[in-house]
Order: sequence, then structure tokens, then C-alpha cells
Amino acid sequence: DQQVKQNSPSLSVQEGRISILNCDYTNSMFDYFLWYKKYPAEGPTFLISISSIKDKNEDGRFTVFLNKSAKHLSLHIVPSQPGDSAVYFCAAKEGFQKLVFGTGTRLLVSP
Amino acid sequence: DAGVIQSPRHEVTEMGQEVTLRCKPISGHDYLFWYRQTMMRGLELLIYFNNNVPIDDSGMPEDRFSAKMPNASFSTLKIQPSEPRDSAVYFCASRPTGGQGEQFFGPGTRLTVL
Repeated sequence: DQQVKQNSPSLSVQEGRISILNCDYTNSMFDYFLWYKKYPAEGPTFLISISSIKDKNEDGRFTVFLNKSAKHLSLHIVPSQPGDSAVYFCAAKEGFQKLVFGTGTRLLVSP
Repeated sequence: DAGVIQSPRHEVTEMGQEVTLRCKPISGHDYLFWYRQTMMRGLELLIYFNNNVPIDDSGMPEDRFSAKMPNASFSTLKIQPSEPRDSAVYFCASRPTGGQGEQFFGPGTRLTVL
């Protein structure tokens, strides 16, 4: 009964290429979505977010796309760098304060 | 500025023992969250507080788990008695009132129950 799903546990890309991480959700009441990045032995850190009234938000190399009709969002990283290697969590805001997280996707960017 | 502080960073204990995890939120943040991370379920919210008051504890798995926030700068998550299936990484996060929902996470406590 996972409300936020990241179906790819891992992704490998070469440096300089595009990384696309995907996330699906089931609850149409979610109104705000976030991506977090996590390095080993550290806590997740906020990366980028998007409101449900938008379909795209861009911040430097990172762009998040939201397709509400498909209940799908994706994070694009271009160009990918080795320092981007981490676990990426998708999260959706439920109500005023709660975040519901996916299980994460491990990205490996090789030189 | 100091971020969210958690202690201990690692805890190894035997089944049946009491475990206490500690968290100091970022100063000025009104909300504090406790999460558990496992491979199967990812990051699960256990409980959250607003102004030291527990608001939603629906994620606490069993009565063996309890959490307190005696003041604005300190919270504990206690497991008693601990079981091997409690082994996970436990994160504390905080956020201020306002904004859209971004939470600031601590480094986590890796708990191993033997």
C-alpha cells in the first residue's frame, strides 16, 4: 500500500549524460512533491520541489517534471556528475506537514 | 548554524534491551519528525511534534515504541523491549512553521538489535 513508489531501485549512467529518476504516486490529494538526495552515513538533504499547480521546475542541472493525470513525476539531472551518485528519494506532502517517501533509487554516475 | 543533531550515531544492543535515541532539532524549528528507514519500506514517518506536542503518532509500529519532546531543543525515541526487526536507521528531522514542507534531516542513528 505504498502511496509513493520508486520502481527502479538503481540506475547507472555515464558522466555527462542525463539521469532520469522516476516516481509514481496513488493519492490525488498530494499537492506538493519533493526530491531528496542521500549520501551514505548522512541524512537526506532537500534537492528540489514542485507544486501540483505546475508541471515543471528547474534549478540548475536539476529539473523536476510533474504529470498529474498520470500521477507521475521525474527528476532529470543533466549533465550527470560523479558527485551526483547517491540515493534519491521522492516525497509527497500529505496534509499540512506529513511527507510520504518512496523507497529510493540509487544513482551511480561513472566517470 | 548547527543542523539537526542525533545521538548516538550507532547503537548495537541485544534483544529485550531498552534503546533510547536522541535528537536536537534546529533552533527555532517548531516541528520535529521521527522516521525509520528500511530497505523494504524506505523512509516511514513514525511520529511528529508541533511545539513539543505530539500531533500524529499513527506511524508508531507498536506500544514498544514511545517518543517524547520535553522541550523545544530535545526529543527522544525509546524502544522497550527492542527486537531484531527494529534494526534500521532512525532519522530525526525538523522544520519551521511556514514554507512548503521542506524538512531538515539529522545524520541518523543506525540501530542493530541482535
